[in-house]
Amino acid sequence: DADVTQTPRNRITKTGKRIMLECSQTKGHDRMYWYRQDPGLGLRLIYYSFDVKDINKGEISDGYSVSRQAQAKFSLSLESAIPNQTALYFCATSEADEQYFGPGTRLTVT
Amino acid sequence: GQNIDQPTEMTATEGAIVQINCTYQTSGFNGLFWYQQHAGEAPTFLSYNVLDGLEEKGRFSSFLSRSKGYSYLLLKELQMKDSASYLCAVRGQGGSYIPTFGRGTSLIVHP
Repeated sequence: DADVTQTPRNRITKTGKRIMLECSQTKGHDRMYWYRQDPGLGLRLIYYSFDVKDINKGEISDGYSVSRQAQAKFSLSLESAIPNQTALYFCATSEADEQYFGPGTRLTVT
Repeated sequence: GQNIDQPTEMTATEGAIVQINCTYQTSGFNGLFWYQQHAGEAPTFLSYNVLDGLEEKGRFSSFLSRSKGYSYLLLKELQMKDSASYLCAVRGQGGSYIPTFGRGTSLIVHP
């Protein structure tokens, strides 16, 4: 079984809809992250959490919110989706140095 | 802040050696990472350098010069499956110690 899982893997939604992307991990790591990846722009950090009661904004947090429901679960929400949020979204975990990435969620906002 | 620069695309021949460069400017330095990412898949960890010098791991090696703000990833005996993007990420100093990723280098290996 994969150590870091993401659901859904693919999602198409309309402008203005609320959508939640979920991430679960079995690695026992305290640190979790959400990134988006756009062609030619690399991975950009949206939010990160170092433990259940810790939430921090990353480079591009506007239009997003997160919830750390448990050590193993970290959800990303788009309150009102817009087309420029179309991207590949990755969740990641780490203990100290190396990050472990989930398989990604491909989100399309029409 | 951090500024990370790597070539957008490189091509190489199966069996050859290729060097992917990464230059960076950062306020403080706390390590440099290389990740491999196949199209549509998750990035996977390749290497971590925090001290100057060469780290070898099978066909892949990574080099760091902190004084020059420079790293390279060396891939030997290239195989078709090495066609992927290679991401350089730099961790500066500051409370979060979270690495910043470069835009990645797309490597195409042809027969």
